[in-house]
Amino acid sequence: DGGITQSPKYLFRKEGQNVTLSCEQNLNHDAMYWYRQDPGQGLRLIYYSQIVNDFQKGDIAEGYSVSREKKESFPLTVTSAQKNPTAFYLCASDLGGRAYNEQFFGPGTRLTVL
Amino acid sequence: GNSVTQMEGPVTLSEEAFLTINCTYTATGYPSLFWYVQYPGEGLQLLLKATKADDKGSNKGFEATYRKETTSFHLEKGSVQVSDSAVYFCALLNDYKLSFGAGTTVTVRA
Repeated sequence: DGGITQSPKYLFRKEGQNVTLSCEQNLNHDAMYWYRQDPGQGLRLIYYSQIVNDFQKGDIAEGYSVSREKKESFPLTVTSAQKNPTAFYLCASDLGGRAYNEQFFGPGTRLTVL
Repeated sequence: GNSVTQMEGPVTLSEEAFLTINCTYTATGYPSLFWYVQYPGEGLQLLLKATKADDKGSNKGFEATYRKETTSFHLEKGSVQVSDSAVYFCALLNDYKLSFGAGTTVTVRA
């Protein structure tokens, strides 16, 4: 089945450590996105990539980094510079381009910093 | 810039009640509008969409009409079920970026 997978579902990290969240899609989509979800705030865009080897900052990129070496994969690293990293992280993808395209979402990773 | 405002929750209803969740937006140009649903512990699923003014999106008994004159995209369902309990997000797509409302939590009691 085509879809987006995120792993792990739950992740715990100690303060001061970097952690990488995985996102893989087999939908042959060009564009991929990372969002952060906090209670009562909806989703906020962290980073997005319209094509392999290219990505742009979203609205809240500070303390995060990404790479897009393969079309199928868009890992997100939460660095120790991110001041409040505990949140639910959602990855999404779509066909890309400026026209209307439905974004498909993965099941999410809940990150808790201890 | 683009922004979406939706009614605050939580909303609690009895089964078979009528549900309305208000959504208004601010955008330049001609955005596409969406309602996404999130069930507990899961990612978001597209519920319905409308890509131009006066379009009506519908799915699973839910409906929303793209009203450019009032910049609104209110979600309605005539008779809710317990399985409709979820968080509902209104969103707009403009220049390939999605902007989301804060979400409205809906709980349907049997």
